[in-house]
Amino acid sequence: GESVGLHLPTLSVQEGDNSIINCAYSNSASDYFIWYKQESGKGPQFIIDIRSNMDKRQGQRVTVLLNKTVKHLSLQIAATQPGDSAVYFCAENSNAGGTSYGKLTFGQGTILTVHP
Amino acid sequence: EADIYQTPRYLVIGTGKKITLECSQTMGHDKMYWYQQDPGMELHLIHYSYGVNSTEKGDLSSESTVSRIRTEHFPLTLESARPSHTSQYLCASNSPGQGSSPLHFGNGTRLTVT
Repeated sequence: GESVGLHLPTLSVQEGDNSIINCAYSNSASDYFIWYKQESGKGPQFIIDIRSNMDKRQGQRVTVLLNKTVKHLSLQIAATQPGDSAVYFCAENSNAGGTSYGKLTFGQGTILTVHP
Repeated sequence: EADIYQTPRYLVIGTGKKITLECSQTMGHDKMYWYQQDPGMELHLIHYSYGVNSTEKGDLSSESTVSRIRTEHFPLTLESARPSHTSQYLCASNSPGQGSSPLHFGNGTRLTVT
């Protein structure tokens, strides 16, 4: 069935370093991908999204890369800060047939720890 | 900055009790969702609604029920809580129209059934 998974469950970096969080997905019909950040005691917070007609999208300090050939998604965080410490989830959606939009399938999450 | 509100934040109740988890959003979103999340784990969709009087079951089977009488309100009810219902419940919504758009999440209700 459809699944989205992360390669690394934990990632520890030093403040100022760049972080890369990876995600694999299995549904080749997926056409929309999102990265969320979840801090302890809070709901997931939207970071950045990308549609399948793109392979790269940049935001403020974050970049998402999409490789549809190998069904791989990554989140790059530049100059990582202690405030970036959280669990990061990738999620995907397949809009095939127009019936499933908005229903996201989430991966397991990667814990990012940033050391001062 | 949350425009989607969930109450209560924490709830500890005994087995067999009926509970309702509240979710309201002020963004005028047609689509609303309930996800269940165990600590450190991925989110699983249990219910969703595309508008008033529309409710559907999600990918993860759940004994809970939902209603959508008003656009802004999407409560989730457990008729008889059990310890297996202990989890975090997250409500979300996104903008109307076709196509995918980011979900906006509330801060969740952490439910413990003893």
